[in-house]
Amino acid sequence: DARVTQTPRDKVTEMGQEVTMRCQPILGHNTVFWYRQTMMQGLELLAYFRNRAPLDDSGMPKDRFSAEMPDATLATLKIQPSEPRDSAVYFCASGFGEGYEQYFGPGTRLTVT
Amino acid sequence: KNQVEQSPQSLIILEGKNCTLQCNYTVSPFSNLRWYKQDTGRGPVSLTIMTFSENTKSNGRYTATLDADTKQSSLHITASQLSDSASYICVTLNTDKLIFGTGTRLQVFP
Repeated sequence: DARVTQTPRDKVTEMGQEVTMRCQPILGHNTVFWYRQTMMQGLELLAYFRNRAPLDDSGMPKDRFSAEMPDATLATLKIQPSEPRDSAVYFCASGFGEGYEQYFGPGTRLTVT
Repeated sequence: KNQVEQSPQSLIILEGKNCTLQCNYTVSPFSNLRWYKQDTGRGPVSLTIMTFSENTKSNGRYTATLDADTKQSSLHITASQLSDSASYICVTLNTDKLIFGTGTRLQVFP
């Protein structure tokens, strides 16, 4: 059945390194969301795209984070340089818009040492 | 300030018992309210979505209620099962932005 996929599932890296997370949305969905989840903050929206165009990235630290959708089947979230405070689980979700159902991927657990 | 608050933070119940989780929100304007279930190590999965005109919506043993006047919602779980052990997250849609609660961690013991 259709589902959102994310890679890698786990990533451990050292501070200062570049991290790239990938997401394949469900085919046909036109909206892709990136979220970050920590124990302290819960789920936070980082950015989202509609029809591959960025609509809102106000939740993202722009000096180090960047999000792109090179094509309709791939969304990427990049952190450069990474910091220990970036350690979290990053989720991608896709759907037909903010008001509609969102389907979450399994997440990428990032640990920055 | 747009906020979603959930209670209790955590809950332990015995298998077969019912429980109710609470969600209070101060989001305005309000478009819809969702309840998600998140198993450990997995992404959230939607249980219900309700617009402001809906009072109740069920999904199997899960029943969500919404009082748009008092800005309160509840999620009632009937005849709990071990597989109900998870975090339950209340989320509201404010125009085009989702506002997340921090969740209630439910543990069901045999």
